[in-house]
Formats: sequence, C-alpha cells, structure tokens
Amino acid sequence: AQSVAQPEDQVNVAEGNPLTVKCTYSVSGNPYLFWYVQYPNRGLQFLLKYITGDNLVKGSYGFEAEFNKSQTSFHLKKPSALVSDSALYFCAAPGAGSYQLTFGKGTKLSVIP
Amino acid sequence: SQTIHQWPATLVQPVGSPLSLECTVEGTSNPNLYWYRQAAGRGLQLLFYSVGIGQISSEVPQNLSASRPQDRQFILSSKKLLLSDSGFYLCAWRPDRGPSQETQYFGPGTRLLVL
Repeated sequence: AQSVAQPEDQVNVAEGNPLTVKCTYSVSGNPYLFWYVQYPNRGLQFLLKYITGDNLVKGSYGFEAEFNKSQTSFHLKKPSALVSDSALYFCAAPGAGSYQLTFGKGTKLSVIP
Repeated sequence: SQTIHQWPATLVQPVGSPLSLECTVEGTSNPNLYWYRQAAGRGLQLLFYSVGIGQISSEVPQNLSASRPQDRQFILSSKKLLLSDSGFYLCAWRPDRGPSQETQYFGPGTRLLVL
C-alpha cells in the first residue's frame, strides 16, 4: 500500500535557526511526493513536489525538500525559520487510486521568536 | 489563472438538518474534484472524488453524498446531519492533463459545526 509517515506531531524551532520537518514514504515504483502547508482555518497550500530528476526540490517561501531513495525520505527544510512559517505541514504521496493522494497526519511547526 | 471557491466559509447547523456545501473552480475545464474532511485540525479523510460530470466515487460510507451537476461545480450534501459530521471540509481540484496533473489544489474550506 502507498503511504507516508510524519513521525513528529510537533516541531519547535527558534526564529533564524534551520528547520526540518520529516517525512518517510512507502510507495511502489517511482514515487512522486508533495509538501503542503496549512495556516489556521485555511485550506492547504501547495509548497513543492518531487516527480523525477534532481533530488533537491525548491519550492515556495524558501522551502526545499530532499528526496532520498535509500532512506525512503522526503524531508522538508528551510535554512532560516520565520515566525510566519508556524503552521501545519503535510507530506503526501499517490494514494490507492490513480487519482488520489494519501496524506501524512501532519506536523505542527512552531517558530519561537 | 485557476481559482477555487468554497461557500459558505462557516456554518452552524442543528442535528438532523440538511446540508449543502458548494465548491466551484474557475479557469480550467474537466478538472478532477475532491471533497475531504479534516477533523480536529489534523489528518485529511477523502470523502468523494469526481473525474467528470455525474461521475462520483465514494471513499467512506456515511450519511453524506456528493454531486457534480456542472463541469466545475462540486456539491457535498446531507439529508440529516449528525454531530459527528462537524469538521473542516476541504474541496480540491487537479488538472486532468498537463505538467501539474499530479498536483491537487485546495479551496479555503468550510468550517461546519453541528449542534
């Protein structure tokens, strides 16, 4: 079965420090993977995706993610966290059906001033 | 550019009342459309998806139903709401072809509280 896992419910980081939000996947074939961000009482916003090619993917708001096939991971990173980055982050991968995505349970990121 | 709208933004309904949530997409044709429910601000549960007018697939049996009367309109309904129907309802779309075919784009959501 296709699945993604986000092992951390919450991540706290000081403003200005680098941040990492973790995601591991279990996807057959060549995976494509996504990161979304959700601010309070808002819909999910697409941040970035990996399809093929360069393992380092750059996305919106200075975020990037590294696809690591040997570790089956797709961690989200940012070199310097902002307070405004505080939000809920979701990793996603292809779901059971060809038109579906399966989402991780989400990681709450809190950036402390 | 494409945009997705949902309304209402917030809804408070009594138990046993009917429900109708609407989602519309602009700037594209023949999108794939999705309804998700998010409970307690966390995980997403796929409820329905549609690949075309009148074509609805249900992922979770429950007292909700969905319809797609027009190409870019997706409606979530219930005849009688339950307390457990409370949650944040998200509509999403994805293009049926092209370089962003894999990506789903989400609407702003509807917060439903059933009392």
